[in-house]
Amino acid sequence: GAVVSQHPSWVICKSGTSVKIECRSLDFQATTMFWYRQFPKQSLMLMATSNEGSKATYEQGVEKDKFLINHASLTLSTLTVTSAHPEDSSFYICSANTGETDTQYFGPGTRLTVL
Amino acid sequence: QQQVKQSPQSLIVQKGGISIINCAYENTAFDYFPWYQQFPGKGPALLIAIRPDVSEKKEGRFTISFNKSAKQFSLHIMDSQPGDSATYFCAASKAAGNKLTFGGGTRVLVKP
Repeated sequence: GAVVSQHPSWVICKSGTSVKIECRSLDFQATTMFWYRQFPKQSLMLMATSNEGSKATYEQGVEKDKFLINHASLTLSTLTVTSAHPEDSSFYICSANTGETDTQYFGPGTRLTVL
Repeated sequence: QQQVKQSPQSLIVQKGGISIINCAYENTAFDYFPWYQQFPGKGPALLIAIRPDVSEKKEGRFTISFNKSAKQFSLHIMDSQPGDSATYFCAASKAAGNKLTFGGGTRVLVKP
């Protein structure tokens, strides 16, 4: 089956620093990837839709200047949390669709803790 | 606006029993309804999905029932096992491959 990986799996950073999270489709090309945020014991909230070669589409209420998304290739999308603060601590998950099936495949997630 | 409402929030079932989770949606443009299973610290994994032109779909111990007129769909887990203990999310999208709107999730605990 299609596999999506994320790196790192967890990261701890100081307040004010920036953190980059990578999302890769390992065995398929993904023209579209999605980024979600999940707080403890809550549901997944879509942050943005990442399209290869074009600007990401952000959901209402998500600061595009704070959460920078780059989708430079058909297998890689990155999310950079700029000037991170403790309230940005969360579980960030990406997903991708092969374009050939209905299934949206999710990565294993990245746990971000901002001190 | 919560477009997909999921209930119950939590569920305890005995091993071998049936787990039933319900979801209701508001947007009639939704036409793809997947269910995901998530274990702590992991990403969601697709269990089963359905489209509005089908009233029921079964895969192994998992069955989706869909009621288009009521804008409701449900997941039934038959012969529940302790390994099924996880959080289950329903979701909906306007087309397969498009962005998903998730329900609030149901934490299922299967007691041995």
